[in-house]
Amino acid sequence: AQTVTQSQPEMSVQEAETVTLSCTYDTSESDYYLFWYKQPPSRQMILVIRQEAYKQQNATENRFSVNFQKAAKSFSLKISDSQLGDAAMYFCAYRSLNYGGSQGNLIFGKGTKLSVKP
Amino acid sequence: NAGVTQTPKFRVLKTGQSMTLLCAQDMNHEYMYWYRQDPGMGLRLIHYSVGEGTTAKGEVPDGYNVSRLKKQNFLLGLESAAPSQTSVYFCASSYPQEGTEAFFGQGTRLTVV
Repeated sequence: AQTVTQSQPEMSVQEAETVTLSCTYDTSESDYYLFWYKQPPSRQMILVIRQEAYKQQNATENRFSVNFQKAAKSFSLKISDSQLGDAAMYFCAYRSLNYGGSQGNLIFGKGTKLSVKP
Repeated sequence: NAGVTQTPKFRVLKTGQSMTLLCAQDMNHEYMYWYRQDPGMGLRLIHYSVGEGTTAKGEVPDGYNVSRLKKQNFLLGLESAAPSQTSVYFCASSYPQEGTEAFFGQGTRLTVV
């Protein structure tokens, strides 16, 4: 079974600075998808970025980018030019390609709470 | 755009009471899910459905039942609520195509006293 580990329960960053959130995962599959979700105090789950395992190029969405190291099974999220609105809980998630059964479900890490200091 | 809508948003139950959480999506998604979120535990899958009339157990199914009579609705039932079921519950839905994201409802905060 796949597992997702976020080793940083809490992180803090100064406004306008850069912060990196860590995520590692365990799987025996060669193809899969990885996601970062943001959960602000409103509780809404918002997709930040996704990465296809078969793509070597790291995904980028504006100020958000990932460092995907497939061999190391690492998927970190970098937030550049941090803003007050980035303060939230961030979840790393894994999704198998196999949609025939439970393998297609999202598997979440425990989350990292990010604080942004003005 | 309604997306995924959960009803109710908040609820307080007494131990032993029953209730049903309703999830409705208007995106014609095949797949629907129920997760629970507890502090320090992330989101854990309770039950899921890959299509109308089908359901399956997730990681933490005990004490819950589900039904998917209509494609757009996914119901989560608690037959006899326990304090351990105090949590925030999220419904999500997605297309079956690989790599598609899951869209989440706004969550239901349930307290069992």
